[in-house]
Amino acid sequence: QVQLQESGPGLVKPSETLSLTCSVSGDSISGSHWGWIRQPPGKGLEWVGIMKSSGTTNYNPSLKSRVTISVDTSKNHFSLSLNSVTSADTGVYFCARDPVDGYGHFDYWGQGTLVTASS
Amino acid sequence: VLTQSPGTLSLSPGERVILSCRASHTVRNNFLAWYQQKPGQAPRLLIYAASTRASGVPDRFSGSGSGTDFTLTISRLEPEDFAVYYCQQYGSSLSLYSFGRGTNLEIK
Repeated sequence: QVQLQESGPGLVKPSETLSLTCSVSGDSISGSHWGWIRQPPGKGLEWVGIMKSSGTTNYNPSLKSRVTISVDTSKNHFSLSLNSVTSADTGVYFCARDPVDGYGHFDYWGQGTLVTASS
Repeated sequence: VLTQSPGTLSLSPGERVILSCRASHTVRNNFLAWYQQKPGQAPRLLIYAASTRASGVPDRFSGSGSGTDFTLTISRLEPEDFAVYYCQQYGSSLSLYSFGRGTNLEIK
């Protein structure tokens, strides 16, 4: 059974960097694509970015200048870094797996972690 | 851009419902997925590749469509089906993945 678990600070000051980690169990981090999706309070889902099994990344164009996704294969986890945060970055951040079957969907999700950007 | 309609739908258990997702451009290879999200939970994958049910999803859920117009049908609503439903596309040149704004299916 594949499981994902997000971790990281729940509070980030405006202009600082949001950093989250997603720990993966039940699957090798090298064998799938791994993504981040966020959800502002009371709103819909927004794709943030993805780390492909090849090691390449792809980001939401609206966030591209501020986002970095990286992977640590030795720890079987991947990370999100979002710099220069504002209150608009507040929301629940989910990590999820794209199973590399070519169809581009997310079959396993973490429970989500709430990040608030506030001083 | 994926446009979901209606924004909110009020129905009763036992009814049949059809949710719509319309894309502003042709969805490459019909790479369109549907998710269900309940309050305080992560989304759950229901359908991928427009019409393939994900593992463990009841057969009352079905997806169809191609090109720019897609639908999710729930043949007979169960109490646990009242939730928000999102469509998601893959492969656009504008954004590799993107979600619609969701349809809130509420109990009448």
